[in-house]
Amino acid sequence: AQTVTQSQPEMSVQEAETVTLSCTYDTSESNYYLFWYKQPPSRQMILVIRQEAYKQQNATENRFSVNFQKAAKSFSLKISDSQLGDTAMYFCAFGYRGAQKLVFGQGTRLTINP
Amino acid sequence: DAMVIQNPRYQVTQFGKPVTLSCSQTLNHNVMYWYQQKSSQAPKLLFHYYDKDFNNEADTPDNFQSRRPNTSFCFLDIRSPGLGDAAMYLCATSRGQGGDQPQHFGDGTRLSIL
Repeated sequence: AQTVTQSQPEMSVQEAETVTLSCTYDTSESNYYLFWYKQPPSRQMILVIRQEAYKQQNATENRFSVNFQKAAKSFSLKISDSQLGDTAMYFCAFGYRGAQKLVFGQGTRLTINP
Repeated sequence: DAMVIQNPRYQVTQFGKPVTLSCSQTLNHNVMYWYQQKSSQAPKLLFHYYDKDFNNEADTPDNFQSRRPNTSFCFLDIRSPGLGDAAMYLCATSRGQGGDQPQHFGDGTRLSIL
């Protein structure tokens, strides 16, 4: 069975700082996908970034980037130049082709302070 | 814009009184999901449809049912809500069935039980 662990229930940083959210996973699958989702307070959950396991290059989306360490089964999210609008719950998720669902981590509540 | 729309945003019902939550999508995605999310927790998948094929999670209570009359609409029926069913209910869609597919979420319906 696949598991996803986010070891930081809450984090808080000052605006403009860089913050890294951690995620580790466990799987015996070789071809899988990892996601970070953002859920702002009272707003919809949106996809931040997607990583395909067979791609060695780390995915990036503007200020968001990942550090994907396949051997260590680690998938951390780095937010550069953090903004107040980055305040949200962040969920790491795992999936693979053939699975019918995603496995979510417990989430990290990130607060960006002015 | 193509999107996932949930109605209503807030629903209050009485203990034991049936309630229906609705979800519609303009993305023309094959798969629609229903999740239950309690405060500061990860979303918990209740069931999903791949086209007309219904897939129930093993631990979803019998109290929860779903209907998908066409591609665009999906409903969540709670036959006899208990206090423990108070939660945010999220609808999501994806293009295909598989853990490699990004999911697109609606804003959610927050259900309160009196």
